[in-house]
Amino acid sequence: EVQLVESGGGLVQPGGSLRLSCAASGFTFSDHWMSWVRQAPGKGLEWVADVKGDGSSQYYMKSVEGRFTISRDNAKNSLYLQMNSLRAEDTAVYYCARDHKYSGGWHFDYWGQGTLVTVSS
Amino acid sequence: DIQVTQSPSSLSASVGDRVTITCQASRDIKTYLNWYQQKPGQAPKLLIYDASNLQTGVPSRFSGSGSGTDFTFTISSLQVEDIATYYCQQYDGDLLYTFGQGTVLEIK
Repeated sequence: EVQLVESGGGLVQPGGSLRLSCAASGFTFSDHWMSWVRQAPGKGLEWVADVKGDGSSQYYMKSVEGRFTISRDNAKNSLYLQMNSLRAEDTAVYYCARDHKYSGGWHFDYWGQGTLVTVSS
Repeated sequence: DIQVTQSPSSLSASVGDRVTITCQASRDIKTYLNWYQQKPGQAPKLLIYDASNLQTGVPSRFSGSGSGTDFTFTISSLQVEDIATYYCQQYDGDLLYTFGQGTVLEIK
């Protein structure tokens, strides 16, 4: 059974840093691109970043580029999101999700339960 | 960047009703459009991928159609357990993803 379990969320001051983790199990982790998707309180879903299976390529949404870094440790079956220079608008539940390719398109076939990040003074 | 417009933003229907939600992309995205269900306090769940493919384990009352810029998601006979927010999500071919604004589905 595929499982994704996020951790590391919490309260942080504006300008601060936080590192999120996602522990994966039930599949060959290194075979899959992985993403972080976030959801601000009462708002919709927003894709944040993803990373290739071997960690060699990363892509980001424009508003987090240069502040967030996605990475992975395939030996530990773990995905990470290092968040620096945090802003109030980064407040959200952050979900870890597995990317899956079908034909030419991509979707997110498994999701973790999410971890809440609150940026506030 | 490709924009996705989802409508309606909210919908009230009775048990047994046929329910339809639409998503329109700002340019041709072939069939790269997916649909998710999110119940309160839960993570999203994939229902339909590549416009019309039913994810394993998802009831057959859910379906999707469309290609190019116009897509439709349908629940053929609404059940109480279908109360949720539904999102479309597009992949633009440039390794970027965008979600629709969401449709809150309520029981009348």
